[in-house]
Amino acid sequence: EAGVTQSPTHLIKTRGQQATLRCSPISGHTSVYWYQQALGLGLQFLLWYDEGEERNRGNFPPRFSGRQFPNYSSELNVNALELEDSALYLCASSLGAREGETQYFGPGTRLLVL
Amino acid sequence: GQQLNQSPQSMFIQEGEDVSMNCTSSSIFNTWLWYKQDPGEGPVLLIALYKAGELTSNGRLTAQFGITRKDSFLNISASIPSDVGIYFCAGRLGGSQGNLIFGKGTKLSVKP
Repeated sequence: EAGVTQSPTHLIKTRGQQATLRCSPISGHTSVYWYQQALGLGLQFLLWYDEGEERNRGNFPPRFSGRQFPNYSSELNVNALELEDSALYLCASSLGAREGETQYFGPGTRLLVL
Repeated sequence: GQQLNQSPQSMFIQEGEDVSMNCTSSSIFNTWLWYKQDPGEGPVLLIALYKAGELTSNGRLTAQFGITRKDSFLNISASIPSDVGIYFCAGRLGGSQGNLIFGKGTKLSVKP
């Protein structure tokens, strides 16, 4: 069974541009989570989608947005990129939004903003 | 906001030694998870804990969900070189907040 996949693996942008990151969850999983991991730091929660709807949002500005498609894949958009947006962006999926659902992570997209 | 205090931040151990790391929080969690992350990769789930007091093993790894639901520990017995990496604890709050709160990680280095 395929795990969580993310694309692209690496992305280089300049300040002010927009970045789009994509995630495909494990087959059968309906919940997708996005996390940001800046260099040397822990994971910070960005967004949670379940059944196509945004369920929760972390403490990030509105220029971080996303959506979940009918096939449960997800997209993270970052507008007006800033240098400090450079980080590893990790996507995770779980079976659903119920208590105790374990989250499984993809390999991440490394975004570099110049 | 909620925070997890993970310790130690880093440790060097001799191959064959046992390792212990822990996480504490001021918040009550319904789920505790332990992940390992290798350089350039996403975190890989090691152990998931769902009940207070639960003790779960996965090979040489053992983890416990604290009785107060505010802490958890991870033990690695007889460490080997491939145990090198960064270990993260993560807690999940109940209700509508399905996201995980992560500790800052414990970097494990093993002397061959």
